[in-house]
Amino acid sequence: NAGVMQNPRHLVRRRGQEARLRCSPMKGHSHVYWYRQLPEEGLKFMVYLQKENIIDESGMPKERFSAEFPKEGPSILRIQQVVRGDSAAYFCASSRPGGTEAFFGQGTRLTVV
Amino acid sequence: GENVEQHPSTLSVQEGDSAVIKCTYSDSASNYFPWYKQELGKRPQLIIDIRSNVGEKKDQRIAVTLNKTAKHFSLHITETQPEDSAVYFCAAKSTTDKLIFGTGTRLQVFP
Repeated sequence: NAGVMQNPRHLVRRRGQEARLRCSPMKGHSHVYWYRQLPEEGLKFMVYLQKENIIDESGMPKERFSAEFPKEGPSILRIQQVVRGDSAAYFCASSRPGGTEAFFGQGTRLTVV
Repeated sequence: GENVEQHPSTLSVQEGDSAVIKCTYSDSASNYFPWYKQELGKRPQLIIDIRSNVGEKKDQRIAVTLNKTAKHFSLHITETQPEDSAVYFCAAKSTTDKLIFGTGTRLQVFP
């Protein structure tokens, strides 16, 4: 079991560009969470998805941010027109349907220059 | 909305001493409470968890206690070692499966 895989590990974008972060959950896991972590800070909830459904996006900024988890393929967190304040580590975690334990990927460190 | 508070934000102990980190949660429907350890530059890793039908759980040097009435849960690390130094996060999961984290505790264990 390869665990939760995120790519890329590091992403540099210029202001105004788009950032696409990918998360492949563990085998058998159909629930995905996305969190943002600023340096020296905690894990801020962004969105919770199940296959083809957004369950809770209460932590997502209203503009520029979107997330999806299609029937096939990884979950994608998309940030349009990035700004310097978007620079952070973005972690995803996955869990089984009906399960409790959530396991994290290695994170994507986004730097906006 | 759901909220998890965590204290203290930093904790320094001497090697061999015990460390206690406390959390409170707001959603009384929460039924699962994991603890994660995050070392610098790495992913959070699950170290222990407890479900709402259990009051205490122990795994070697770490233990977690849950008081559902007071909506408190705590992490206890005994005989601390320098490799226990990290940031520890508590979390609470509601019946809607939303997982909310506390703000973290930076633990430093001095040799």
